[in-house]
Amino acid sequence: AQSVTQLDSHVSVSEGTPVLLRCNYSSSYSPSLFWYVQHPNKGLQLLLKYTSAATLVKGINGFEAEFKKSETSFHLTKPSAHMSDAAEYFCVVTDYGGATIKLIFGTGTLLAVQP
Amino acid sequence: KAGVTQTPRYLIKTRGQQVTLSCSPISGHRSVSWYQQTPGQGLQFLFEYFSETQRNKGNFPGRFSGRQFSNSRSEMNVSTLELGDSALYLCASSYGLDSGSSYEQYFGPGTRLTVT
Repeated sequence: AQSVTQLDSHVSVSEGTPVLLRCNYSSSYSPSLFWYVQHPNKGLQLLLKYTSAATLVKGINGFEAEFKKSETSFHLTKPSAHMSDAAEYFCVVTDYGGATIKLIFGTGTLLAVQP
Repeated sequence: KAGVTQTPRYLIKTRGQQVTLSCSPISGHRSVSWYQQTPGQGLQFLFEYFSETQRNKGNFPGRFSGRQFSNSRSEMNVSTLELGDSALYLCASSYGLDSGSSYEQYFGPGTRLTVT
């Protein structure tokens, strides 16, 4: 079965410092992986996706993630945090079932950005 | 393009009642999926519709049902509401796996359901 584990439920950084949100996945086949962000009282916004092309994936707002098959990881990074990055981040793996897919979500990492 | 829209945004219902939530996908998207988000269980898949057919279903009781119309708009219904049904219900649309590579899902703002 497909699954993702987000290793930190809360991460706090200072504005201007790097961000690292960790995600490990489990998949019985070559996975598609996503990071979504959810700001308070908002829906989910797609940050970036990995679909077996380049292992380093660039997303919106300066975020990127690297797919490492040997470590079964897909960590999200950003060189310099901004106050507007404070939100909850979800690592997601796709589960294929015939002609359909569904998203399997991690438990989320709440990112706080201190001024 | 307009994004995914969900109505209503907020609902308060009483135990035992039923509720219908609506989702309008992005124009051209034929797949609509529904998810339930709660603090305790996180984000869980409810079901997916494509071309008016339910193609995938999560582990939820039969009180949760849905349908999709010919214009791809979707509704989900919860009957005999329980306190535990209080959640944010999110709808997501996509072109569907059949389209090839564009299967990323785009989410609406959600409907916040409170059951008292």
